[in-house]
Amino acid sequence: DTGVSQNPRHKITKRGQNVTFRCDPISEHNRLYWYRQTLGQGPEFLTYFQNEAQLEKSRLLSDRFSAERPKGSFSTLEIQRTEQGDSAMYLCASSPAGGGFEPQHFGDGTRLSIL
Amino acid sequence: AQKVTQAQTEISVVEKEDVTLDCVYETRDTTYYLFWYKQPPSGELVFLIRRNSFDEQNEISGRYSWNFQKSTSSFNFTITASQVVDSAVYFCALSTNNAGNMLTFGGGTRLMVKP
Repeated sequence: DTGVSQNPRHKITKRGQNVTFRCDPISEHNRLYWYRQTLGQGPEFLTYFQNEAQLEKSRLLSDRFSAERPKGSFSTLEIQRTEQGDSAMYLCASSPAGGGFEPQHFGDGTRLSIL
Repeated sequence: AQKVTQAQTEISVVEKEDVTLDCVYETRDTTYYLFWYKQPPSGELVFLIRRNSFDEQNEISGRYSWNFQKSTSSFNFTITASQVVDSAVYFCALSTNNAGNMLTFGGGTRLMVKP
């Protein structure tokens, strides 16, 4: 069990640029979640996959955000035309399918800074 | 809608003191789970405990104990004989079937344990 892996750990970019983050979940987990955490706040849910199907999306996920999990394994989160307000830690979590309440295991996150 | 409130934003104690972190939740669902996560300075969220809405038994794990009271919608976390390594931000979270398996987090409590 190697844990949830996220890349890159840090991303600094200029406003208006596109960025993409990658998440590799724990191998036997078929559920994958994305959260966003701003400084001093708790994580906020963005979206959730079961295998390759995106089953839930938060209102926080504007049209500039898109997430994919093409083969039900790793996932990518893309932000287009980044804005200052996108600066945050983006967290990925995974869990096995087990009635919906299995603990989610989190990666170290990708910290995005918009200049 | 689901909501989790952690009224204590920051707590400072001296090593070996006991400390209780408060968590109050709101949900209309009758089936739900409550979680506590620890976020050390390194940033990764570490799962500590899960509790379902039908099990109000208190739980003890080493120096950690949890008190779940449905009557007051509270799920408090006590660390006995605190240690410097307990310094972290602690998050309480809620998950319900009607919320698509996502976790709703509180704002977190920053615990500082001084030697």
